[in-house]
Amino acid sequence: EIVLTQSPGTLSLSPGERATLSCRASQSISSSYLAWYQQKPGQAPRLLIYGASSRATGIPDRFSGSGSGTDFTLTISRLEPEDFAVYYCQQYGSSPRTFGQGTKLEIK
Amino acid sequence: EVQLVQSGAEVKKPGESLKISCKGSGYSFTNYWIAWVRQMPGKGLEWMGIIYPGDSDTRYSPSFQGQVTISADKSISTAYLQWSSLKASDTAMYYCARHYIPTGPFDYWGQGTLVTVSS
Repeated sequence: EIVLTQSPGTLSLSPGERATLSCRASQSISSSYLAWYQQKPGQAPRLLIYGASSRATGIPDRFSGSGSGTDFTLTISRLEPEDFAVYYCQQYGSSPRTFGQGTKLEIK
Repeated sequence: EVQLVQSGAEVKKPGESLKISCKGSGYSFTNYWIAWVRQMPGKGLEWMGIIYPGDSDTRYSPSFQGQVTISADKSISTAYLQWSSLKASDTAMYYCARHYIPTGPFDYWGQGTLVTVSS
């Protein structure tokens, strides 16, 4: 089973700042089968990024993903008030599909 | 419009059985996998398993194998998650989500079904 470790656990930033979230895998993820999801309180997760760097339909271009192998990053270039939420990475290249434990992005 | 609509919240007692549902619309239900994901109170996301409604090919996470049953009825575009004997530790929000290929991201999610198991 591939274990995904996200850091930091909590990130406190202000609107307009840049956010950098990390996801590290316990073994290499094949073909960059790595996704990022956003979850707001009381809502289902929403797909942001797939294939490590491709934005899902309707996702603003301030969200970007990068990385390969075992190290991946989600960057939000300029935080908007609606971006404060919990973010999860997920690998979907091997079974069982696994999620990271999440990074909470909170308003400073 | 693609939608996954899940059944409503449930309150059950330990030892009872339960079957929750996820109805797909706005797309070809038999051409996409449906995954089930657990989120315990205040915790993260856990992948439970997947089913391909086209031929009922089903795969489970080792953590959930034998604990739940995933099924689907393609005639009514609905996937199911069921328990034969609930435990208090099954209390959680359960989400269904679809993906196009076995190695695909989850592009649409249901709204979630809250299951509460308490004596």
